[in-house]
Amino acid sequence: GAVVSQHPSRVICKSGTSVKIECRSLDFQATTMFWYRQFPKKSLMLMATSNEGSKATYEQGVEKDKFLINHASLTLSTLTVTSAHPEDSSFYICSMYTGNTEAFFGQGTRLTVV
Amino acid sequence: GQNIDQPTEMTATEGAIVQINCTYQTSGFNGLFWYQQHAGEAPTFLSYNVLDGLEEKGRFSSFLSRSKGYSYLLLKELQMKDSASYLCAVRDSNYQLIWGAGTKLIIKP
Repeated sequence: GAVVSQHPSRVICKSGTSVKIECRSLDFQATTMFWYRQFPKKSLMLMATSNEGSKATYEQGVEKDKFLINHASLTLSTLTVTSAHPEDSSFYICSMYTGNTEAFFGQGTRLTVV
Repeated sequence: GQNIDQPTEMTATEGAIVQINCTYQTSGFNGLFWYQQHAGEAPTFLSYNVLDGLEEKGRFSSFLSRSKGYSYLLLKELQMKDSASYLCAVRDSNYQLIWGAGTKLIIKP
């Protein structure tokens, strides 16, 4: 199946700093990219959807100025957590979608803000 | 607007059968997906339905009724490892993927 590479898999950062998470498709081009986060013992929560050529659409309650999404190309998307705080500590995961098949997920990033 | 509803959480007993429902209201329909996700791991694709009826894959089956905007995922002979979240997603007429919030399934011995 299609491969989505997400990194870093784990990151620890200091409060107030910014962290960038990268998601890259290795063997297909994605028209749509999704970003999720998951708090302990909770289901995945969709944060935003990004379609090619347009700005990301954020879900209610997700601050677009805090979670910057860059849909750089059909194979690359980045999520930057700006001015991170301990409450941003979570599991972040991306998904890429071509429109013709199922969505493919990255392996996730465990962010810890200290 | 577009909407997908799933129960937030369900509990079932090891060895039993459980049915996870998903209802949707979307701008057109071009298929429905089910994914399984264990906490801290990437979701894995389980099934895809685009025509009405039941698709069976081992212990897992997925059903679709397009006229009712309804699907369910049926898990038989439940095992402890089936404890996970189950995500329903619908592809609309524009081939956009709309996600449900997921159902957390807890299996008890």
